Amino acid sequence: NAGVTQTPKFQVLKTGQSMTLQCAQDMNHEYMSWYRQDPGMGLRLIHYSVGAGITDQGEVPNGYNVSRSTTEDFPLRLLSAAPSQTSVYFCASRGGGAAETQYFGPGTRLLVL
Amino acid sequence: AQSVTQLDSHVSVSEGTPVLLRCNYSSSYSPSLFWYVQHPNKGLQLLLKYTSAATLVKGINGFEAEFKKSETSFHLTKPSAHMSDAAEYFCVVSDLRNAGNMLTFGGGTRLMVKP
Repeated sequence: NAGVTQTPKFQVLKTGQSMTLQCAQDMNHEYMSWYRQDPGMGLRLIHYSVGAGITDQGEVPNGYNVSRSTTEDFPLRLLSAAPSQTSVYFCASRGGGAAETQYFGPGTRLLVL
Repeated sequence: AQSVTQLDSHVSVSEGTPVLLRCNYSSSYSPSLFWYVQHPNKGLQLLLKYTSAATLVKGINGFEAEFKKSETSFHLTKPSAHMSDAAEYFCVVSDLRNAGNMLTFGGGTRLMVKP
């Protein structure tokens, strides 16, 4: 049982490039989400999914795209990277209702030059 | 709408002394409240959570938090700090009405422990 896994751990992009951050969980959780972490701002929700085929926007969705074709995977796509997207990205999952514990992946550190 | 305010961005204590990390929240409905810890260059680990059962919640590593509805607070405490407690701590609220998995994070409190 690996929990929530993320790849890559670290990535450097040039402005305008696109890339996909991978996230997978093996806990059969319905709910998955992506957050970005910036200094002094805690974590902010980018996109989330309540099940396969269902996604919705969070607090800061602009410049990001998601899809959920399976229960296990929830990739985050940067369409055209900008320096403002330099951040640490965390994927998370949980089962059941809003009171359930959310499990976080180890994070992807992204630098956009 | 829900929100979280962590009242101190940095807290410094000596090893063996008590820890107090302060958190105030705002929520229109009965909230679930969490404290997460993040050690340097690591992911987030759940310390404890409140989900409308006992108002005093005990977590891992000797931490506990008390839910005070009248004060809209959920402060995190520990009787005696260890060097290994040095990390960043996040107070988090989740509205039970919110089936959309929305967690709202505070800005974080960095705890420093002096020998």
